[in-house]
Amino acid sequence: DTEVTQTPKHLVMGMTNKKSLKCEQHMGHRAMYWYKQKAKKPPELMFVYSYEKLSINESVPSRFSPECPNSSLLNLHLHALQPEDSALYLCASSQAPPSSYNEQFFGPGTRLTVL
Amino acid sequence: LAKTTQPISMDSYEGQEVNITCSHNNIATNDYITWYQQFPSQGPRFIIQGYKTKVTNEVASLFIPADRKSSTLSLPRVSLSDTAVYYCLVANTGGFKTIFGAGTRLFVKA
Repeated sequence: DTEVTQTPKHLVMGMTNKKSLKCEQHMGHRAMYWYKQKAKKPPELMFVYSYEKLSINESVPSRFSPECPNSSLLNLHLHALQPEDSALYLCASSQAPPSSYNEQFFGPGTRLTVL
Repeated sequence: LAKTTQPISMDSYEGQEVNITCSHNNIATNDYITWYQQFPSQGPRFIIQGYKTKVTNEVASLFIPADRKSSTLSLPRVSLSDTAVYYCLVANTGGFKTIFGAGTRLFVKA
């Protein structure tokens, strides 16, 4: 199974809402990533987890809160977002340690719209 | 991290070979060149990776000259389904950060 799944596919939320994005993989990968992608732009790295511990936070605002409850799951908790946070949020996984060299397997993403 | 430069867009016709060149003048000794493909509303997909000379797999070939300051992704006999964005990035085993370049939008016409 070389699939990374993400739920929900689409999410519309108000600026006062709290929501969560979920990502799951069963490839035994111990490195997991969150990316943000705006329209017609490349993916931008947000967070990197290695062996369930946060390794990199690319200066992401605190309204985004990642969580890695176990080696197969990755969550992104959202609170008090702004309209400019509307984007495609991509989850990826790879062999550990996390590295730009290792092939990353991406999920289909969650299309987030903040009203 | 070495910065990459690619053409913004390219057009091709079905059945043609497409070559997309990426410039990475500041590539370091332990850097590898990696290419990803992304279809609309999907996550990127790894295509190929190489260090020097030529690498070929079932999808593409990657040509890297001796100075490694550029690389060329070659897609043989493209079809309409190859319409996508192709990202070149420079990667190394010690680098945690994955930085995608701007990408090349390939449009294949019938």
